[in-house]
Amino acid sequence: LAKTTQPISMDSYEGQEVNITCSHNNIATNDYITWYQQFPSQGPRFIIQGYKTKVTNEVASLFIPADRKSSTLSLPRVSLSDTAVYYCLVGPLPNAGNNRKLIWGLGTSLAVNP
Amino acid sequence: GAVVSQHPSWVICKSGTSVKIECRSLDFQATTMFWYRQFPKQSLMLMATSNEGSKATYEQGVEKDKFLINHASLTLSTLTVTSAHPEDSSFYICSAGGGGQGMTGELFFGEGSRLTVL
Repeated sequence: LAKTTQPISMDSYEGQEVNITCSHNNIATNDYITWYQQFPSQGPRFIIQGYKTKVTNEVASLFIPADRKSSTLSLPRVSLSDTAVYYCLVGPLPNAGNNRKLIWGLGTSLAVNP
Repeated sequence: GAVVSQHPSWVICKSGTSVKIECRSLDFQATTMFWYRQFPKQSLMLMATSNEGSKATYEQGVEKDKFLINHASLTLSTLTVTSAHPEDSSFYICSAGGGGQGMTGELFFGEGSRLTVL
């Protein structure tokens, strides 16, 4: 299982773009990269998922270089409500016939200031 | 999107009692559900993988006789903390994913259950 490395914490201000980079040097061929957001005393919430290149949805973009050894979550124009812990995980899809176990690191604690 | 619901969201119990936490997938069938535990300021730790119709798979160091898991249907898994002690106080979270057609690779998490053992 690929292990991930992310910054422990980041600070930003409202309206700024925030980029959180995750390293996963041992990512396997069938692994996907998924980012989750967690607020205090709540379960994590899916943000975005990708395999390679760039993925964009209504809340974020995910940039994955060709070697897939890292990925960057980009949050455009953050607001105070984006203050949360962001987790980067790599692993096979849960319905891919693989035993789905994700190793959760400490994540990145993002603080958005006014 | 798919919804996973956990109940209760918080529970306080006396030491030695048992507590059951339910995890339901509301709009999809979940052949596999996962149970996590999270202590304050720490990450999620996978406790066990709950498989519908078969025994759960426990992670190393997790006592299967203390944390009983039942996944009797495709929409319900339960975690029972037996003879709870103060050190079992934690935030318990379930997740489900990998359902039928149209499902992506994302996991859907419940709201979490805060257990406090006095």
